[in-house]
Amino acid sequence: EAGVAQSPRYKIIEKRQSVAFWCNPISGHATLYWYQQILGQGPKLLIQFQNNGVVDDSQLPKDRFSAERLKGVDSTLKIQPAKLEDSAVYLCASSLGGHLFFGPGTRLTVL
Amino acid sequence: SQKIEQNSEALNIQEGKTATLTCNYTNYSPAYLQWYRQDPGRGPVFLLLIRENEKEKRKERLKVTFDTTLKQSLFHITASQPADSATYLCALELASGTYKYIFGTGTRLKVLA
Repeated sequence: EAGVAQSPRYKIIEKRQSVAFWCNPISGHATLYWYQQILGQGPKLLIQFQNNGVVDDSQLPKDRFSAERLKGVDSTLKIQPAKLEDSAVYLCASSLGGHLFFGPGTRLTVL
Repeated sequence: SQKIEQNSEALNIQEGKTATLTCNYTNYSPAYLQWYRQDPGRGPVFLLLIRENEKEKRKERLKVTFDTTLKQSLFHITASQPADSATYLCALELASGTYKYIFGTGTRLKVLA
């Protein structure tokens, strides 16, 4: 079974630039999550999708972050404009219910 | 306020000993508690799940306890090996069926040969 795919694996940008991350969940997994993990901390939930609908985006900084899940499969997370404090690993996870399957993450460095 | 706390300091133990990691939470009433392992540069990997009405769960060398009165879970690795060195995260599912998972801060475990 293929795992959760994410790209790119690494991204370095200047502050105020924009960036987008892509996630392809495990086939058939209805629930998709984006987490932000700052160095030395646990993952923080940004947004949760059920199929292509948003279940929870209460922790998403909506003035600069946006996310979509087209056709209930792939998802993209965008940051525009980026700030220094957005430097983190962005983890995508999917689930059938029960527990999470994580992708390898995208490490974002904002200079 | 709501918190999930794990030992922030790294835990170093000798190979062959039992490692015990703690997860404490406040102002949550989780339906499930899960433990994940995270290696550097990788996403977390699910290890074990325990339900609110279960006291203990075992899987091979792993054991998890869940005390909803103390609001605490303990995660034990028996006969620890250097390959067990990683960061261990606990996660709460806030209510059954929401599939919303909140993670603790993680504890870094190092098993010394």
